[in-house]
Amino acid sequence: TQLLEQSPQFLSIQEGENLTVYCNSSSVFSSLQWYRQEPGEGPVLLVTVVTGGEVKKLKRLTFQFGDARKDSSLHITAAQPGDTGLYLCAGESPGGSYIPTFGRGTSLIVHP
Amino acid sequence: DAGITQSPRHKVTETGTPVTLRCHQTENHRYMYWYRQDPGHGLRLIHYSYGVKDTDKGEVSDGYSVSRSKTEDFLLTLESATSSQTSVYFCAISESMTGEYNEQFFGPGTRLTVL
Repeated sequence: TQLLEQSPQFLSIQEGENLTVYCNSSSVFSSLQWYRQEPGEGPVLLVTVVTGGEVKKLKRLTFQFGDARKDSSLHITAAQPGDTGLYLCAGESPGGSYIPTFGRGTSLIVHP
Repeated sequence: DAGITQSPRHKVTETGTPVTLRCHQTENHRYMYWYRQDPGHGLRLIHYSYGVKDTDKGEVSDGYSVSRSKTEDFLLTLESATSSQTSVYFCAISESMTGEYNEQFFGPGTRLTVL
């Protein structure tokens, strides 16, 4: 069973601070997705990374896929209260199984 | 936003009663999934479907069954609900154009309480 470890599990910061959350595995993934889930709602897809070393930016969010495609990071610049939520990473094993492996998530609270 | 709805959104039931949750999509996506989400466990796959009448078990399938008679509907049934099945249930859909990605679109969830 492939496992995705996310860290930190919880993060509480003030508005304007920067932060990085991590998603790590000992297995290789053909693609990795990041989702954000707000309280009482379902997860919403933020980005998919596919190529080792790939960097994608979504406004103040920067996503990076590790060179070996075993890990990923999400960096948020100048966090805002609207960034509050549970950040989940999910990886798909090579071969296209359509059964993603989800990490347990990082719960982020950004205080005004 | 992907057109995916779940019903009911909230349900309270008693131990031993059958419960059916419905997931409906308007996207004509091939793959549909049922997850449960619990504190400390994250999202866990219950069952999934890769086409009409084609379903398979996930990691926590005991006590659950599914059916997919139409592309747009995926039903999750708890044959005899137990308190351990109190959870938030999410349906998800996906359709890969390249065969390599699995970008999932989630429904709003159903909060189930079994007393």
